[in-house]
Amino acid sequence: NAGVTQTPKFQVLKTGQSMTLQCAQDMNHNSMYWYRQDPGMGLRLIYYSASEGTTDKGEVPNGYNVSRLNKREFSLRLESAAPSQTSVYFCASLENTEAFFGQGTRLTVV
Amino acid sequence: AQSVTQPDIHITVSEGASLELRCNYSYGATPYLFWYVQSPGQGLQLLLKYFSGDTLVQGIKGFEAEFKRSQSSFNLRKPSVHWSDAAEYFCAVGYRITGNQFYFGTGTSLTVIP
Repeated sequence: NAGVTQTPKFQVLKTGQSMTLQCAQDMNHNSMYWYRQDPGMGLRLIYYSASEGTTDKGEVPNGYNVSRLNKREFSLRLESAAPSQTSVYFCASLENTEAFFGQGTRLTVV
Repeated sequence: AQSVTQPDIHITVSEGASLELRCNYSYGATPYLFWYVQSPGQGLQLLLKYFSGDTLVQGIKGFEAEFKRSQSSFNLRKPSVHWSDAAEYFCAVGYRITGNQFYFGTGTSLTVIP
């Protein structure tokens, strides 16, 4: 099993560009999450999806959109990237007793 | 609002010494509680978790944590620290009642000196 797979691993964007971060899990989990990690701030929840077809805002949703395409996939979209969105992004899936994380996407916006 | 507090930003211990990392949460419902470890440039690895039952849980790498409802705490402990334990440690809290929201503390950075 691959667990949680994120693509890409690294990305550099220019201010104003758009991009989508992809996340897929093969564990049949209902809940999926997107976090950003910044120094001294831990991981902050951007959006989450408690089940297929539902999405909800977390702590820091501004500037992002998400799509729960199906039970496996949960994508994060930056419509117009800003330097403040430079961060490491983690996708995760959770089902009761287990939570798994992808390896992260390091995004730099210049 | 839900929150997770890790009051210690950075801790330094000597190799072989005991370790305790603090974690407090604030919310009325019974939470799911987790501790994760992150080595530099790496993803997060689950150390241990608590959902119900015995309030003292054992994890990997010799770590344990104790859930104390009266103190809203879930502190991580290890009797004897190894140099390889140097990393960032995150406490996390999940609440099924609020749609499986899952929040992290700001982390504690552990340095181990020989």
